[in-house]
Amino acid sequence: DGGITQSPKYLFRKEGQNVTLSCEQNLNHDAMYWYRQDPGQGLRLIYYSQIVNDFQKGDIAEGYSVSREKKESFPLTVTSAQKNPTAFYLCASRWGSTEAFFGQGTRLTVV
Amino acid sequence: GESVGLHLPTLSVQEGDNSIINCAYSNSASDYFIWYKQESGKGPQFIIDIRSNMDKRQGQRVTVLLNKTVKHLSLQIAATQPGDSAVYFCAEILPGSGNTGKLIFGQGTTLQVKP
Repeated sequence: DGGITQSPKYLFRKEGQNVTLSCEQNLNHDAMYWYRQDPGQGLRLIYYSQIVNDFQKGDIAEGYSVSREKKESFPLTVTSAQKNPTAFYLCASRWGSTEAFFGQGTRLTVV
Repeated sequence: GESVGLHLPTLSVQEGDNSIINCAYSNSASDYFIWYKQESGKGPQFIIDIRSNMDKRQGQRVTVLLNKTVKHLSLQIAATQPGDSAVYFCAEILPGSGNTGKLIFGQGTTLQVKP
């Protein structure tokens, strides 16, 4: 089946550790996005990529890093510089001027 | 900065009634808008979209209206059902960022359907 897959579903991080969230799509979409969602809040854009080997900062990029080495993959690293990383992280992809398709999210908790 | 906002954080309606969820956008040059539904703990699901060359678009039980004069977007749900209970977001593609460019979301409206 075509779709966008995020893993893991739940992730626990100790303070000071970097963690990487996976996002894979087999929809042949050019653009991919990472959003952060806090309880009762909307989606805030962290990073997005319109093409392989290129990406742009969103509104809250500090403390996060990404790479786009393959069209299918857009991993997000939450670094130790992100002071409040506990949140629900959503990945999405788009093709051309169409709607974005979302994964089911990764819930990250700092312990 | 750019933002897409919603007028009401929570909307409570009786089952069978029609629901109207509103959204205000800030950039008059934006040309593509999307409505999403998000259930608890899940990723957003596409409902309907509209481009700026249209004023209205209809789907199954849903209608989106676009008023470019006042930069306002609305989602109408006919005969609201308990399964419609969720958070609804509007989203906007910012101009100048290409067809696959920056997609931003509003804060969301929680729709509660009373039996």
